Amino acid sequence: GAVVSQHPSRVICKSGTSVKIECRSLDFQATTMFWYRQFPKKSLMLMATSNEGSKATYEQGVEKDKFLINHASLTLSTLTVTSAHPEDSSFYICSARDIRGGPRDEQFFGPGTRLTVL
Amino acid sequence: AQKITQTQPGMFVQEKEAVTLDCTYDTSDQSYGLFWYKQPSSGEMIFLIYQGSYDEQNATEGRYSLNFQKARKSANLVISASQLGDSAMYFCAMRESHGGSQGNLIFGKGTKLSVKP
Repeated sequence: GAVVSQHPSRVICKSGTSVKIECRSLDFQATTMFWYRQFPKKSLMLMATSNEGSKATYEQGVEKDKFLINHASLTLSTLTVTSAHPEDSSFYICSARDIRGGPRDEQFFGPGTRLTVL
Repeated sequence: AQKITQTQPGMFVQEKEAVTLDCTYDTSDQSYGLFWYKQPSSGEMIFLIYQGSYDEQNATEGRYSLNFQKARKSANLVISASQLGDSAMYFCAMRESHGGSQGNLIFGKGTKLSVKP
């Protein structure tokens, strides 16, 4: 149980195009989903927190117009990188928090999406 | 100020030996959770072990144990009987529970563990 998928796993796009990344909780409902970004050999940095049916909360320094987040249902959140540029190339990881909580109230991570912008 | 500090960028351990990965944290919350994750080169984040701030016993999960010293605000990961497949990045993370938090995790910079045959 507690499986989170991300699609696509890898994407290469041209500068100026937009890329959509999907994050799905497959066997549980998620109250909250988180989007992280990871540069090579670096740690995970939280970009934004999304709750179903409401606007995402962005971390300081993250451009909300560039990184559009939609949390349309309790099992799906999407991150759209608009007008992507080479500096947006990174590893994007989502995680989902089970609506049931639990003793650890943990987040379950997707496998990540590697974005390369040419 | 860093909330999660991992002071070892890289560590080497001989196969079958034990290794300790350090993690210290900073919080004013009374209730918080500490996590360790393994990230192999494929990129997936693999949950290893969890310690709640109110847990009196050190957490253990198979070959993984967490040396929790609350007064020192440290939560070191101990891997016993290292295996070649343990070679990966290891991240310590904290979840705070204060009112402004939605339960997001704060990660340390990670430690790259290399197991030598």
